[in-house]
Amino acid sequence: EVQLLESGGGLVQPGGSLRLSCAASGFSFSSYAIYWVRQAPGKGLEWVSGISDSGSRTYYADSVKGRFTISRDNSMNTVYLQLNSLRAEDTALYYCARRIIPGPTFDYWGQGTLVTVSS
Amino acid sequence: QSALTQPASVSGSPGQSITISCTGTSSDVGGYNYVSWYQQHPGKTPKLMIHDVTNRPSGVSNRFSASKSGNTASLTISGLQAEDEADYYCSSYTSSDTFVFGTGTKVTVL
Repeated sequence: EVQLLESGGGLVQPGGSLRLSCAASGFSFSSYAIYWVRQAPGKGLEWVSGISDSGSRTYYADSVKGRFTISRDNSMNTVYLQLNSLRAEDTALYYCARRIIPGPTFDYWGQGTLVTVSS
Repeated sequence: QSALTQPASVSGSPGQSITISCTGTSSDVGGYNYVSWYQQHPGKTPKLMIHDVTNRPSGVSNRFSASKSGNTASLTISGLQAEDEADYYCSSYTSSDTFVFGTGTKVTVL
């Protein structure tokens, strides 16, 4: 069974940092790109970042470019999202999702981890 | 990377058909045949309903169908059922493995 499990969310002050993790199981992890999508409370979905199957290519939305860094460890079946210089508008539920190329086809999603940026 | 435009809400009676539009530009919806649709019930994880404009994943009801014309993609739900009440989001490929989601549409079954 394919599973994605996010962790690492929490309450952080503006300007602070967090590292999110997405642990995968039930499939050949190194064969799939993994993306992060967030959803602010009561709002819509927003694509945040993605990483290719090998980790050689990374992608970021303009809203987080320069502040967030995505990486992966295929030996640990885990993707990471480092969140720096956090702002109130980064408050959201962060989902990781498995992508089926070539389109925006995310067939499996985790349950999400909540990031709250507040003083 | 502006969000694709969807109507805020669409409603219909059980058994009716409804259509949700998703309008972008030639740089996203109109430029690629890579549009997906997601259903999200309150408090739940998004579920893939349509990919590559018209393709339905295994297990998704054939009451869901989709199409695209120019810069606008559409999702049609036929034979509307109470369980279809949810939020729906479109998503399109933009460039270089980046994407954009729609603003979301709340479907209400009257």
